Amino acid sequence: KAGVTQTPRYLIKTRGQQVTLSCSPISGHRSVSWYQQTPGQGLQFLFEYFSETQRNKGNFPGRFSGRQFSNSRSEMNVSTLELGDSALYLCASTTPSNTEAFFGQGTRLTVV
Amino acid sequence: EDQVTQSPEALRLQEGESSSLNCSYTVSGLRGLFWYRQDPGKGPEFLFTLYSAGEEKEKERLKATLTKKESFLHITAPKPEDSATYLCAVQAVDTGNQFYFGTGTSLTVIP
Repeated sequence: KAGVTQTPRYLIKTRGQQVTLSCSPISGHRSVSWYQQTPGQGLQFLFEYFSETQRNKGNFPGRFSGRQFSNSRSEMNVSTLELGDSALYLCASTTPSNTEAFFGQGTRLTVV
Repeated sequence: EDQVTQSPEALRLQEGESSSLNCSYTVSGLRGLFWYRQDPGKGPEFLFTLYSAGEEKEKERLKATLTKKESFLHITAPKPEDSATYLCAVQAVDTGNQFYFGTGTSLTVIP
């Protein structure tokens, strides 16, 4: 059974650019959540999508946005990148019973 | 405000030396408490979900327990391959699948 797939694994971008990250959840999972992980802040919740609708949103600026497609794949976009956006971005896929959540390997974003 | 605090921040054990990691939480209504293991540069790996006080779950050398205010992850006779950061997270009844994570305990098991 395939796990959660995140692409790309690594990205280097320049301040002011924008970036799009992709997450393919486990087959049958309709809930996808995104997290930002940094050494100082730990894992911080960005947003959750379920059946193409944003169900919940964390305390991040509007530069961070996301969407979910009909096949449950999700993308997150960060516009006008800042140095502080450098982080590991993780996607989690939750079982239909909401009893387990599985993370992808993450996308390491470096902003220079 | 929903919060999760883990202690200790770091723990060094000799191989075979059992110990416990603590996760204290404050949440308006607990939907579930999750334990994850994370290796450097990788995504968190799911270990357990606990739902109600008194519940216990085991997997190999790991045993997780839950009370109304905290959870413990007991590690029995650890091996070097158990070295990792262990993360605790809670979900509240009114915020869907959103996790509130603790900052983790970095465990090092010395051969």
